[in-house]
Amino acid sequence: EAAVTQSPRNKVTVTGGNVTLSCRQTNSHNYMYWYRQDTGHGLRLIHYSYGAGNLQIGDVPDGYKATRTTQEDFFLLLELASPSQTSLYFCASSDTGGARDTQYFGPGTRLLVL
Amino acid sequence: LAKTTQPPSMEAYEGQEVNVSCSHTNIATSEYIYWYRQVPHQGPQFIIQGYKDYVVNEVASLFISADRKLSTLSLPWVSLRDAAVYYCIVTDIDTNTGKLTFGDGTVLTVKP
Repeated sequence: EAAVTQSPRNKVTVTGGNVTLSCRQTNSHNYMYWYRQDTGHGLRLIHYSYGAGNLQIGDVPDGYKATRTTQEDFFLLLELASPSQTSLYFCASSDTGGARDTQYFGPGTRLLVL
Repeated sequence: LAKTTQPPSMEAYEGQEVNVSCSHTNIATSEYIYWYRQVPHQGPQFIIQGYKDYVVNEVASLFISADRKLSTLSLPWVSLRDAAVYYCIVTDIDTNTGKLTFGDGTVLTVKP
């Protein structure tokens, strides 16, 4: 089973604050993804990457930056956090990114922006 | 990308078989059907995927109608651990992004 870890698991910041969410996968997967999930709804894709140094725009990218520093590590950056970014954030990885490939999800980071 | 429609909620007793339906009336020939589930406080977990006919694995089975406009996830002998949100996802096999578009899913409640 693929291992995807996220840190921190919980984060509180204030409006305008600077937040970095970290994700690491240890299965040599090429693709990594950042999603957000708001209460009672499904996940929405923010950004994704198919390798170190690569970044692709997802469906809800506004207000977020991301960086893939290595094959293992993918970071989500909120440089001016707003209350609308209060959410549960999930990272995922997959091997090929193909439609038949399975995504493996981390445990999530709960972010509260006051 | 085809839009999916699922019942918002279902209930079952332990030991029952549960069938969760998903309508994808505009599914394209290049689109594939996935099912994921999410238990509270965890990320989604892959269950099964298929393109047509019938697929089975150790966890569930998936029936896809001949016109591919309807799929049904079948969970045999549900237990309390199967209480989760079940997501039906349709994705294009011709793209190479792995993007998954989640809807609101079906909340399955399992009663003892």
